[in-house]
Amino acid sequence: SQTIHQWPATLVQPVGSPLSLECTVEGTSNPNLYWYRQAAGRGLQLLFYSVGIGQISSEVPQNLSASRPQDRQFILSSKKLLLSDSGFYLCASKGQGVSGYTFGSGTRLTVV
Amino acid sequence: DAKTTQPPSMDCAEGRAANLPCNHSTISGNEYVYWYRQIHSQGPQYIIHGLKNNETNEMASLIITEDRKSSTLILPHATLRDTAVYYCIVRANAGNNRKLIWGLGTSLAVNP
Repeated sequence: SQTIHQWPATLVQPVGSPLSLECTVEGTSNPNLYWYRQAAGRGLQLLFYSVGIGQISSEVPQNLSASRPQDRQFILSSKKLLLSDSGFYLCASKGQGVSGYTFGSGTRLTVV
Repeated sequence: DAKTTQPPSMDCAEGRAANLPCNHSTISGNEYVYWYRQIHSQGPQYIIHGLKNNETNEMASLIITEDRKSSTLILPHATLRDTAVYYCIVRANAGNNRKLIWGLGTSLAVNP
C-alpha cells in the first residue's frame, strides 16, 4: 500500500520568506501527485498536479510553484510568502490501479 | 463548484448506524462516487467508492440510488473515532479529468 511522507507538520514563516515543502511517496511507482490547500473551515482546493517527472499542471494562479524532480518526490515552493498563503497543505498520491487517493498528514503553515 | 451537496452536520449515538446522505443530481455516466473522511488536523482518508452497484468494505457500505442521483454512506456501528468530516465526491476514473472537487462535507459527531 502507498505511504506518503510529508514534512514538516507545522511551520511558522514571516511574510516575504521562502517556502519549500517536500512530499515523498512509497509503495507505488509513476503515481499522479497532487498538492492541495485547505483554509480553515473550507474544503480542499487543488493547487497543482503532476502525472510524471517534470510535468506540473497549475490549477489556480498563485504565489506558489511546484516541482517533481523524481518519480516519487513532489515539492511545493514559494520565493516570497504572503499572509494569504497560510493554510493546511496536503500532498496526495494516486497510484496505478489504486482505487482511492492517499493523503499525507499535512503541513500547517502560518505566515506572520 | 462541487458537484455534490451534503448536510453540513449530523449527530449519531455511539454504537448506532450513521447514515450520511449525498446528492449528486448532475453525475455523468462515467463518474464514480467517492467517499473520504478527514479527522481534525489530519489528511483525508479514503473510505469507499462505487459506480452504480452498492458496495461494502471493512469500513462502510455505500448505497447508490438506481438513478445515481444520490447516495448514502453507512457506518454500521459508529464509534467515537468516526467523528470526522465526511466528503462525498464524484469523479471519472479515466480520461483527463483527474481532479477531485471537494465541497464542505458533513461534519459527523458521534456522541457517547
